[in-house]
Amino acid sequence: EVQLLESGGGLVQPGGSLRLSCVASGFTFYSYAMSWVRQAPGKGLEWVSDISGSGDYTNYADSVKGRVTISRDNSKNTLYLQMNSLRVDDTAVYYCAKEAPMTELDDWGQGTLVIVSS
Amino acid sequence: EIVLTQSPGTLSLSPGERATLSCRASQSVTNNYIAWYQQTPGQAPRLLIYGASSRATGISDRFSGSGSGTDFTLTISRLEPEDFAVYYCQQHGSSPRTFGQGTKVEFK
Repeated sequence: EVQLLESGGGLVQPGGSLRLSCVASGFTFYSYAMSWVRQAPGKGLEWVSDISGSGDYTNYADSVKGRVTISRDNSKNTLYLQMNSLRVDDTAVYYCAKEAPMTELDDWGQGTLVIVSS
Repeated sequence: EIVLTQSPGTLSLSPGERATLSCRASQSVTNNYIAWYQQTPGQAPRLLIYGASSRATGISDRFSGSGSGTDFTLTISRLEPEDFAVYYCQQHGSSPRTFGQGTKVEFK
């Protein structure tokens, strides 16, 4: 059974930094690309970033480009999202998700809440 | 970036009725790679359909997807109580992999 467990969320001041983690189990982690998707309170889903299985290729939404870095440690089955220069509008539940071969998101974690507020 | 527009914003229906949800793209979607997700309150999204018309593992055949190019549809043939939720389309053919704004299917 695929399991994705996010952590690292919390309350941070505007301009601050946070690193989210997602520990994966139940599948061969290095064989799959992974994504981060976020959802602001009461709003829809927003794709944030993804990374190839090897970690060599990354993509970012324009809204986070230059402030966010996605990475992975395949030896630890862990996906990361380093977020810097956080803004109030980065407040959201952040989900990690596994990308299936056609890049659809076939498994999701339960999310971790990031609140950016002074 | 491909912008996805979902309609209607809210669909008010009764159990047993048919639901038809639309997702229109601002430009042609590569390989017709449109996915549909279902989200209930407090839960993570769940994949229903990918590649416009392929059902994900374990998804009821009441759910079907169709369309190509810029116009895509999710159909729920007979609504069950557990189908009342928010549905999102996503294009997974090119980066950034954008989502639509969602359609809420609510009890009439």
